Amino acid sequence: QQQVKQSPQSLIVQKGGIPIINCAYENTAFDYFPWYQQFPGKGPALLIAIRPDVSEKKEGRFTISFNKSAKQFSLHIMDSQPGDSATYFCAASSARGDYKLSFGAGTTVTVRA
Amino acid sequence: DTGVSQDPRHKITKRGQNVTFRCDPISEHNRLYWYRQTLGQGPEFLTYFQNEAQLEKSRLLSDRFSAERPKGSFSTLEIQRTEQGDSAMYLCASSLKGYNEQFFGPGTRLTVL
Repeated sequence: QQQVKQSPQSLIVQKGGIPIINCAYENTAFDYFPWYQQFPGKGPALLIAIRPDVSEKKEGRFTISFNKSAKQFSLHIMDSQPGDSATYFCAASSARGDYKLSFGAGTTVTVRA
Repeated sequence: DTGVSQDPRHKITKRGQNVTFRCDPISEHNRLYWYRQTLGQGPEFLTYFQNEAQLEKSRLLSDRFSAERPKGSFSTLEIQRTEQGDSAMYLCASSLKGYNEQFFGPGTRLTVL
């Protein structure tokens, strides 16, 4: 079964808007939560990651919010640009699980100019 | 380019044929992972190596699949007697032991006719 649930499946925003993607997990052994960005025909590229001892992390225009008690985390893309149009995947892994990644199903983000 | 490389990028084959893919990880990365990604889904874990040892195989990896990493550097993934259901993007990722961050290659797109 899918260990990480991701929503929405797709979303469209205007340039400058803030797309928000949500993920939820059940396995409390997960201790690392990355986000990957994927363009058509390319491999996933690591964007930003967070650990459960931190509630928020920012890197450039990308922010992860983490709620350990709810077992949820989300990605916000600030001041979105057309070049941010891509599919975004949340994932989770644990040292106990030898770091293999469990991915969400992905969210296709379209930023309109 | 010092990133993960995969070869070939695309492979079209007929049902029943054998195919082999190659992955060259980032140098000094001792962990190597294989994932499979079908259209509209997130990558799914197949198997991983630490140096030359194959440490875990997913139940997705049927007996028609075999992976090797003979000298702890590049890895190969072979699919015997391909089926149409094998059509997917096969992704390779590498990391340093003890570190969560996995870096993906561009993938090999397999189409089985």
